[in-house]
Amino acid sequence: AQSVTQPDIHITVSEGASLELRCNYSYGATPYLFWYVQSPGQGLQLLLKYFSGDTLVQGIKGFEAEFKRSQSSFNLRKPSVHWSDAAEYFCAVGPNTGFQKLVFGTGTRLLVSP
Amino acid sequence: EPEVTQTPSHQVTQMGQEVILRCVPISNHLYFYWYRQILGQKVEFLVSFYNNEISEKSEIFDDQFSVERPDGSNFTLKIRSTKLEDSAMYFCASSASGGGVAGYTFGSGTRLTVV
Repeated sequence: AQSVTQPDIHITVSEGASLELRCNYSYGATPYLFWYVQSPGQGLQLLLKYFSGDTLVQGIKGFEAEFKRSQSSFNLRKPSVHWSDAAEYFCAVGPNTGFQKLVFGTGTRLLVSP
Repeated sequence: EPEVTQTPSHQVTQMGQEVILRCVPISNHLYFYWYRQILGQKVEFLVSFYNNEISEKSEIFDDQFSVERPDGSNFTLKIRSTKLEDSAMYFCASSASGGGVAGYTFGSGTRLTVV
């Protein structure tokens, strides 16, 4: 069965510090992988996505993620966090064929301290 | 940048009442979806819609739910007789090509509270 695990419910980092949000997935075939961000009162905004090729993908707002097939992971990183990055982050996985129903993780809430 | 628009942003309804959640997808998109997120839980797929018919639905999407694209621009989710457990944030999404390379665009959600 398809599943996504985000083991950290909350993470607090200091402004300017680096960030890594963890995501592990279980999927029967080669998945498409996504990271979305949700600010309070806002919709789900796509940060980045991985389909194939280079396993390090760059996204918006200075985020990047690395696909590691051997670890079934797709961790999100940012070298220097800004206060405006405080939000909820969701990892999602979908099939690479047909209508792509996304399976989401439970999300990680990022808090940024001054 | 094109947006998916959802209305209302927040709706409170009494148990047993019917509610209609509205979405205006991006105009050239062909694939439409509803997801929901119960407070504190993960975002869950409800239904996908293409070519004026449901293409896939989840176990959650029972006979109490229906979707419609009544006028070529709106995409609605109807809950016939709401239950307390229907309280959740409902997200509409659209895609140009069924997700994949094109990805999805999500709306900002409708928070439904059933009392």
